[in-house]
Amino acid sequence: QQQVKQSPQSLIVQKGGISIINCAYENTAFDYFPWYQQFPGKGPALLIAIRPDVSEKKEGRFTISFNKSAKQFSLHIMDSQPGDSATYFCAANAGGTSYGKLTFGQGTILTVHP
Amino acid sequence: DVKVTQSSRYLVKRTGEKVFLECVQDMDHENMFWYRQDPGLGLRLIYFSYDVKMKEKGDIPEGYSVSREKKERFSLILESASTNQTSMYLCASSYREIIFGPGTRLTVL
Repeated sequence: QQQVKQSPQSLIVQKGGISIINCAYENTAFDYFPWYQQFPGKGPALLIAIRPDVSEKKEGRFTISFNKSAKQFSLHIMDSQPGDSATYFCAANAGGTSYGKLTFGQGTILTVHP
Repeated sequence: DVKVTQSSRYLVKRTGEKVFLECVQDMDHENMFWYRQDPGLGLRLIYFSYDVKMKEKGDIPEGYSVSREKKERFSLILESASTNQTSMYLCASSYREIIFGPGTRLTVL
């Protein structure tokens, strides 16, 4: 049973465009929502995270939008660059910690064409 | 630079073999995790540990066991490897955030 559903599976964007990846969750106990970025041959690395007391968090070109009532959150990458080409995972954690066990989405392979 | 290291990047084993995947972290973290990563399924938690000699099952523990005799080392054991355990295995540790190792790609023939 996948408690966090991520879409799309793959995404192709032109350089300078906006990349949008969506996640939906079922468990209302989830209260920490990180996004991870994974390059080939590497483990996932924390990109940005949000807690449900805010609706949006921005760090540079990366923004998380959070809709608590819809149980959805999304990652927006502005001015996408070829170096952003990677696999992106959303995740969720219950207990409000940034260091507990995470439930992951299925992953999105992002390709940014120059 | 803080690190989570895994003993092998690539491993090929035969069905029925006992397989050990080793993970070491140098950050004095209490928490350690083993995930497997499969295309279209994301990362799924196999086992985790919040302290030495302590372990808890994750979402898919069947066919696996773990050992944590020292704080810095967390081992994943496949008692009798099967072809459906062919996967990428990721170890992680955490204090304020979860840090992943580079992964071990295991193929079971």
